[in-house]
Amino acid sequence: ETGVTQSPTHLIKTRGQQVTLRCSSQSGHNTVSWYQQALGQGPQFIFQYYREEENGRGNFPPRFSGLQFPNYSSELNVNALELDDSALYLCASSLAGGQITGELFFGEGSRLTVL
Amino acid sequence: GENVEQHPSTLSVQEGDSAVIKCTYSDSASNYFPWYKQELGKGPQLIIDIRSNVGEKKDQRIAVTLNKTAKHFSLHITETQPEDSAVYFCAAMDTGNQFYFGTGTSLTVIP
Repeated sequence: ETGVTQSPTHLIKTRGQQVTLRCSSQSGHNTVSWYQQALGQGPQFIFQYYREEENGRGNFPPRFSGLQFPNYSSELNVNALELDDSALYLCASSLAGGQITGELFFGEGSRLTVL
Repeated sequence: GENVEQHPSTLSVQEGDSAVIKCTYSDSASNYFPWYKQELGKGPQLIIDIRSNVGEKKDQRIAVTLNKTAKHFSLHITETQPEDSAVYFCAAMDTGNQFYFGTGTSLTVIP
């Protein structure tokens, strides 16, 4: 069984730039959610995708956007990067019928540093 | 929205002792409460969970209790071992199926 994989593992950007983070969900999982984890904090929900559509969003501005592809992999895009966007970005997959009712399987995250 | 608070932020115990981490939540409609363990450089991993229709659940050395009236739930680890050292997060899932995480507890088990 293939676990959740994320890329890149680390990256450095400058303020104002754009970044794309990628996630391959666990085999058989149809739902992907993204979380932002600032240093010393718990993960904060950004949004969730099911069947290629966003079906839940946390308190993040529109410059955070995403995609889910037919193979259930996903991308997180962040435009106009700000210093406060520096964080670990976690992708989690689950098997759900449009609603998360159970275990989230997390990847190891993408560490973004904005200078 | 839901607000989850977690205490303590750091916890040190001697190997073999018990560890208890407590969380409170604000939304009485939240119905699923997982606990995650995060080791350095890794993503969180589910260790135990409990749903709102159950008061207690146990899995070997790990147990979780839920008090719906008081809106708090706790993680209990007995006979702690050095490999239990990690950051532990509680979470609550609201009726919109969004997860809200606590701020984490860094557990150190001293050999």
